[in-house]
Parts: sequence; structure tokens; C-alpha cells
Amino acid sequence: DIQMTQSPSTLSASVGDRVTITCRASQSISSWLAWYQQKPGKAPNLLIYKASSLESGVPSRFGGSGSGTEFTLTISSLQPDDFATYYCQQYHDYPYTFGQGTKLEIK
Amino acid sequence: QLQLQESGPGLVKPSETLSLTCTVSGGSISTSYYYWGWLRQPPGKGLEWIGNIIYTGRTNYNPSLKSRVTISVDTSKNQFSLRLSSVTTADTSVYYCARYNGYISPWGQGTLVTVSS
Repeated sequence: DIQMTQSPSTLSASVGDRVTITCRASQSISSWLAWYQQKPGKAPNLLIYKASSLESGVPSRFGGSGSGTEFTLTISSLQPDDFATYYCQQYHDYPYTFGQGTKLEIK
Repeated sequence: QLQLQESGPGLVKPSETLSLTCTVSGGSISTSYYYWGWLRQPPGKGLEWIGNIIYTGRTNYNPSLKSRVTISVDTSKNQFSLRLSSVTTADTSVYYCARYNGYISPWGQGTLVTVSS
């Protein structure tokens, strides 16, 4: 299985901050990576696919980059609605695997 | 707008079989573009991919669960289903159904299944 490792596990930030979450794959996954946002009690919601493609309806302050084994999710200016848990997922190989999550908290 | 909705028992006894159904509305399940499948999330923990299926019946399963999992599709009802046998308390989770294009979207709202006697 391809192991996905996110860092940090928890991130404290303020409204208006620029934040970056990193996801590393245990082997190359090309650009077959997605990012999701999950709020408590809700299903995850797709933000980014193919490493850098913004899903329709997702605000442009969200951006993704990377290829191979290292990827980043950047939120350019945090809004109150962005405080949530974020997951990366590889879909290069079965079984699909997820990072352990990054909880974005209000500082 | 495509929507998915899970249904099934919220409580299953240890050693029994967990059965869930996902009903798809707003679009047809009989498309060659997408797989349909299941994921789960234990309370307070991360996401685990269970498996998926395409309308022809071809499946992919997580090896960690493969011996206990069956995913099936009913195109006449626009539904697909999950069966997980010999459950233990470790299988207590929120179970999500979803559409797959590699990436996963949309998701159902999720249903909590508790394994307890």
C-alpha cells in the first residue's frame, strides 16, 4: 500500500493567515492526489483533484501543488469557515489511501 | 444534482453481517465513467477506503478487508450495496457511500454503524 503522511497534524492559525499543509507519499503517485475538507459531523468535501485542479464551487483561496511524492495545500487567506480537518488521498494505485488528517484550529 | 444516501441498520451484533445500501439520485449509476463505493471512519479517527464497483459488476477491494467484504450493484434500482461479514467492535464506524473518479465526489452524508451485543 502507498502510505500518505500529512504534516502538521494540528495547525493553529488566525483569520487572514496564509497556511500550508504538506502531504508526502511513500512512492511516486504522479499527480494523482486529492484534498478534502471535513467539518465535524459532516462528510468530507472535495477541494482539489489531480494535485492542483480546483473543484467547481471551491473558493479560489484554496490551491494545490506538487507531483511525485510531495504535495501542498495552501489557503491564501484563512476565513472563519475554513477551520476544519483536511485530508489528502492518493488514487494512483489501489487500495486508495488517505493521510491521517490535519486539524486547522483557530489561534 | 447527484445525491447519494446510505441506509441500513445502525446496530449490528458481533460476528454478524453488516449490510448497507446506497441509493443514487439525480443521475444514473450505469455509466462507464465512474465507480461507486464505500469508505468508513471510526469515531474521532481518519478515513479508510473499503472498495468500489462499476455498473458491470467489476469490483476493487481493500486487501485489509477483502476476505469479509462484498460490494454489489443493482442498476434497476440505481443502488449499490455493502456487506461486511464477521464484524467486531473494531468495525464501528461512520460508513460513507460515494462516487469515484479516482478522486471521490460526491459523498453521502454517512451513517453510523455500531457493533455491539
